[in-house]
Amino acid sequence: EVQLVESGGGLVQPGGSLRLSCAASGFPFSSYWMSWVRQFPGKGLEWVANIKQDGSEKYYVDSVEGRFTVSRDNAKNSLYLQMNSLRAEDTAVYYCARGANYHDASAYFWGQGTLVTVSS
Amino acid sequence: DVVMTQSPLSLPVTLGQPASISCRSSQSLVHGDGNTYLNWFQQRPGQSPRRLIYQVSNRDSGVPDRFSGSGSGTDFTLKISRVEAEDVGVYYCTQGTHWPPYTFGQGTKLEIK
Repeated sequence: EVQLVESGGGLVQPGGSLRLSCAASGFPFSSYWMSWVRQFPGKGLEWVANIKQDGSEKYYVDSVEGRFTVSRDNAKNSLYLQMNSLRAEDTAVYYCARGANYHDASAYFWGQGTLVTVSS
Repeated sequence: DVVMTQSPLSLPVTLGQPASISCRSSQSLVHGDGNTYLNWFQQRPGQSPRRLIYQVSNRDSGVPDRFSGSGSGTDFTLKISRVEAEDVGVYYCTQGTHWPPYTFGQGTKLEIK
């Protein structure tokens, strides 16, 4: 059974940092693009970033470029999102997601999410 | 970035009746490879989003055949032939033709009348 389990969310002050993790199981992690997608309190969805199988390509939405870094450890079947210089508008549920197949860089299968709250 | 616009944003439907959601993109979603990367997701209350339809009209595994997708270019539609109680939730269209970034519609909340 495919599983994606996010962790690392919590309350952080503006300007602070947080590192999210996603533990993958039930599929060959190193064969899939992986993504982060967030859902704002008003329920809107925003794709945040993705990373190629070997980590050689990474892409970000403009609103997080330069502040967030996506990475992966294929030996540990894990995906990460390092979030720096956090702002109130980064408050959201962050989902880890997998592509549908080797060539699919989009978010097909999603985890249950972890809540990040940026507030003083 | 491609802007995705859904309508209506709220959709009250009687059980057993059809439902239709529209999604329009700010530019054509036809990719250079000839495919159109327009997907539909369903998010039931308390759950994470689940993909229903990919490339306009292809149902994902396990998706009931009462769900169908259609459209081309910039105009797309998700239809439910007969709404059931388990269909309550929010539906999102999303494009993957012009990425990064992937972009989503605002969501359409389907509820039972």
